[in-house]
Amino acid sequence: DTEVTQTPKHLVMGMTNKKSLKCEQHMGHRAMYWYKQKAKKPPELMFVYSYEKLSINESVPSRFSPECPNSSLLNLHLHALQPEDSALYLCASSLGPGTRSPRTFGSGTRLTVV
Amino acid sequence: ELKVEQNPLFLSMQEGKNYTIYCNYSTTSDRLYWYRQDPGKSLESLFVLLSNGAVKQEGRLMASLDTKARLSTLHITAAVHDLSATYFCAVEVDSNYQLIWGAGTKLIIKP
Repeated sequence: DTEVTQTPKHLVMGMTNKKSLKCEQHMGHRAMYWYKQKAKKPPELMFVYSYEKLSINESVPSRFSPECPNSSLLNLHLHALQPEDSALYLCASSLGPGTRSPRTFGSGTRLTVV
Repeated sequence: ELKVEQNPLFLSMQEGKNYTIYCNYSTTSDRLYWYRQDPGKSLESLFVLLSNGAVKQEGRLMASLDTKARLSTLHITAAVHDLSATYFCAVEVDSNYQLIWGAGTKLIIKP
């Protein structure tokens, strides 16, 4: 299995809603990432989990809350988002620290905040 | 601050032609990645370059890394329409998980 699976593929939510994005990988990767990508821009790192511990939080607003229940799963909980949070949210994984390995990206969740 | 500059940012070319995308970066690194992204889709890893002089080839694409010049190139040979996409280079600094991305090169190949 060489895939990162993300659900849902599309999500429309109101500014008062609470929703979650889910990500799963079964490649034995020990680092997992959340990225945000706006149109015509490179992805921006949001969070990194290494061995299920939060390693990096790139000053992301608290309305985004990550969770890593186990080594295969990564969630992103969304609450009280703003229209400017509309973007493609990408999950990725890699072997782990110091391994010099590429990120394998999921297909993404296209999020629209109304 | 590490900066990664790609050029050109936009490239429109005819099928059958050759061209090169350049990726310059501003600090020492020996880990550089090339990704492809189709419109509205996710990122696909193309090449991992991990040492000075590294050269990787896949089909009509060839990537190289010169760590002394802090330059990577992605060369397209005899372009075909299916290679139309946006190509990103990304440089990894230390082991802190940070990838510094180029702005991307949007490549359009006309039949």
